[in-house]
Amino acid sequence: DIQMTQSPSLLSASVGDRVTLSCKASQNIYKYLNWYQQKLGEAPKLLIYYTNSLQTGIPSRFSGSGSGTDYTLTISSLQPEDVATYFCQQYNSWYTFGAGTKLELK
Amino acid sequence: EVQLVESGGGLVQPGRSMKLSCAASGFTFSDYYMAWVRQAPKKGLEWVASISYEGSSTYYGDSVKGRFTISRDNAKSTLYLQMNSLRSEDTATYYCARHNNSTFDYWGQGVMVTVSS
Repeated sequence: DIQMTQSPSLLSASVGDRVTLSCKASQNIYKYLNWYQQKLGEAPKLLIYYTNSLQTGIPSRFSGSGSGTDYTLTISSLQPEDVATYFCQQYNSWYTFGAGTKLELK
Repeated sequence: EVQLVESGGGLVQPGRSMKLSCAASGFTFSDYYMAWVRQAPKKGLEWVASISYEGSSTYYGDSVKGRFTISRDNAKSTLYLQMNSLRSEDTATYYCARHNNSTFDYWGQGVMVTVSS
């Protein structure tokens, strides 16, 4: 099974900050990686697919990058509505999610 | 607008069975794979199962293989999850999701399943 490790588990940042979340796979996943946002009490929402493709309707301040085993989700200018937990998900071999990064306002 | 509405959750004793349903609307149900994803309390997400367009192919995570069965009724635009031999570790919120090109692009609000005596 492919394990996904996200870091940090908790991130505090200020409005307007550039924020970077990391996701590391236990083996090469060939960019087969998606990112989801889950706000408190809500269902997850797809943000980015295939490492760097923005889902329809998602603000352009969100972007993704990476290759091999290392991937990042970047928020260029943090907004209050971005407070949420973010999960990465690989689909190179079945489907596994990371444990999530909880993003809060400082 | 895509809508997925789960039902059928609740409290169930270990070893018993439960069946979840997911009513879909706002898209052509038979054009998409569908999936169940669960989230244990305060934990991350775990893919449970997926099903092909007509239901002829099904896929399961290792933790539920042999105990859970995913199925669909395209005439009713409804997805199902039959859960047998339930264990305490199956306690979770179960989400129905549209499984589109290896993404889960729309999710329901989820239904809670608690396995406890």
